[in-house]
Amino acid sequence: GAVVSQHPSRVICKSGTSVKIECRSLDFQATTMFWYRQFPKQSLMLMATSNEGSKATYEQGVEKDKFLINHASLTLSTLTVTSAHPEDSSFYICSARIRDGANTGELFFGEGSRLTVL
Amino acid sequence: QKEVEQDPGPLSVPEGAIVSLNCTYSNSAFQYFMWYRQYSRKGPELLMYTYSSGNKEDGRFTAQVDKSSKYISLFIRDSQPSDSATYLCAMRRYSSASKIIFGSGTRLSIRP
Repeated sequence: GAVVSQHPSRVICKSGTSVKIECRSLDFQATTMFWYRQFPKQSLMLMATSNEGSKATYEQGVEKDKFLINHASLTLSTLTVTSAHPEDSSFYICSARIRDGANTGELFFGEGSRLTVL
Repeated sequence: QKEVEQDPGPLSVPEGAIVSLNCTYSNSAFQYFMWYRQYSRKGPELLMYTYSSGNKEDGRFTAQVDKSSKYISLFIRDSQPSDSATYLCAMRRYSSASKIIFGSGTRLSIRP
């Protein structure tokens, strides 16, 4: 299957700092990437849809100024958690959809990034 | 009512047993159905992918879709301790731009 790399896998930061998480599709082009948040023992909560070359589409209740998303190329999307607070501590996962004509729309996930804000 | 319902478990079975995991959904427009496996503190991994109704088999895994009942299943034969994980069902409509909706996940534990 396709490979999606996410970095860093774990980050600890102080309250008030900003943290950037990168999501890369290593062996395919992804016009669309998705960012999810997952709390312990809960399912994935879609935060935003990131489209290459355009503004991200945020889900209801997700602050776009808090969670900045940039999709500068067909293989890279970044999520920046600005002025992080302890309540932002969570497991953040990206996924990418293969750009092809088959319209299968399979999603491939990164390994996730665990953010802990002190 | 959630669009996708999935029993969170936990489900514990002995090694070698057949496991049945299920999801129900309410949106008849869903056409693509997926099962993901997620180990603790890892990203989900795509296991099975089916389009519309029917069965699909891959090794010890069989996915079933019954669109008339809005019910999908994942069967695991000869279950192994390494199958212990959370299993998420997911589905979307036909359009490639459609959002994928996930179930809440079922935690499965296989006892040696």
